[in-house]
Amino acid sequence: KAGVTQTPRYLIKTRGQQVTLSCSPISGHRSVSWYQQTPGQGLQFLFEYFSETQRNKGNFPGRFSGRQFSNSRSEMNVSTLELGDSALYLCASSSMTGTNTGELFFGEGSRLTVL
Amino acid sequence: AQSVAQPEDQVNVAEGNPLTVKCTYSVSGNPYLFWYVQYPNRGLQFLLKYITGDNLVKGSYGFEAEFNKSQTSFHLKKPSALVSDSALYFCAVRDASGGYNKLIFGAGTRLAVHP
Repeated sequence: KAGVTQTPRYLIKTRGQQVTLSCSPISGHRSVSWYQQTPGQGLQFLFEYFSETQRNKGNFPGRFSGRQFSNSRSEMNVSTLELGDSALYLCASSSMTGTNTGELFFGEGSRLTVL
Repeated sequence: AQSVAQPEDQVNVAEGNPLTVKCTYSVSGNPYLFWYVQYPNRGLQFLLKYITGDNLVKGSYGFEAEFNKSQTSFHLKKPSALVSDSALYFCAVRDASGGYNKLIFGAGTRLAVHP
């Protein structure tokens, strides 16, 4: 079974630009979560989608947005990029069955550098 | 507020010796606790979880964790460390107010196993 696939793996943008990151979950997984990882703030929850609906949102500004498609693939977008947005963005999928709560399967991440 | 603390930035262990990576938590209600591991330039991998039941939880790659409610701890252990265990380890708790897959991660502990 293929794992979680994130594209692109690496990208460089300049301040003020926007970026879209893509995530394909494990087949059959309907929940997709996004996390930001930085050396200073560690791992922080961005948002979670289930069946095309945002279930939760972390404490990030409105510049960060996401969506999920009917095939469970998800995208996140960051507009008006700032230097502090440089981070590893991790996508995770879950089967969302009761006892698997919180058991996430992570992709390898998209490393964003903002210059 | 719910939180997770990993008091050690780094743990050094000789190969073949037992290892412990410490984690304490603060949550309201019953905790859902997790350990994840991250290898360089990779996403996180699930190791084990505690939801309910036995206080000693066994997971992947020979790791186990002991849940201690009175000490609010969930330490990760392995009887005999391998050099290949060297990685970054994260303890996490499910945010009870945030839905199924919103995890609050600790800052991480870097485990270095020396030959």
